[in-house]
Amino acid sequence: AQTVTQSQPEMSVQEAETVTLSCTYDTSESDYYLFWYKQPPSRQMILVIRQEAYKQQNATENRFSVNFQKAAKSFSLKISDSQLGDAAMYFCAYRSPLFGNEKLTFGTGTRLTIIP
Amino acid sequence: ETGVTQTPRHLVMGMTNKKSLKCEQHLGHNAMYWYKQSAKKPLELMFVYSLEERVENNSVPSRFSPECPNSSHLFLHLHTLQPEDSALYLCASSQERANSYEQYFGPGTRLTVT
Repeated sequence: AQTVTQSQPEMSVQEAETVTLSCTYDTSESDYYLFWYKQPPSRQMILVIRQEAYKQQNATENRFSVNFQKAAKSFSLKISDSQLGDAAMYFCAYRSPLFGNEKLTFGTGTRLTIIP
Repeated sequence: ETGVTQTPRHLVMGMTNKKSLKCEQHLGHNAMYWYKQSAKKPLELMFVYSLEERVENNSVPSRFSPECPNSSHLFLHLHTLQPEDSALYLCASSQERANSYEQYFGPGTRLTVT
């Protein structure tokens, strides 16, 4: 079974600075998908970024980028130019591509606070 | 309506009540999910309906009963719940076999069992 670990329960960053949230996972599969989700205090879970394991290039979405290290099974999220609206819980998630294994396996989350 | 909607947003029920949570997706997806989110625990998958067939129930107690009448609607029927069932219940949908696999979530139903 796959597991996802987020070792930082809480992080804080000054507005406009850069912060990196860590995530490690364990799997025996060679192909899979990884995601970062954001859950603001309003509760709606929003997809931030995704990475396919077969792609060597790290995914980027505007101020959000990942550092995907497949051999190390590491998938960190970097937020550049942090903004007040980035304050939220961030969840790392793993997904197998196999039919019949559609579930997302989530980490316990990291609460990110933005300091004005 | 767009995305994934859930009703009600808040629900307080006694242990002997029967209630239902509703989820509707407007994304044309073919898979829907129920997750339970409790404080300081990872999201727990409860049920998956893919192509309108239930593919996993993940050892959920029988006091939770899902229903998926079509690919756009998903219900979670609740009866004789326990206080430890108080949590945020999230619905999600995805398009399976589309080489993307990301799930889109609704806003959740905050359930309190008294």
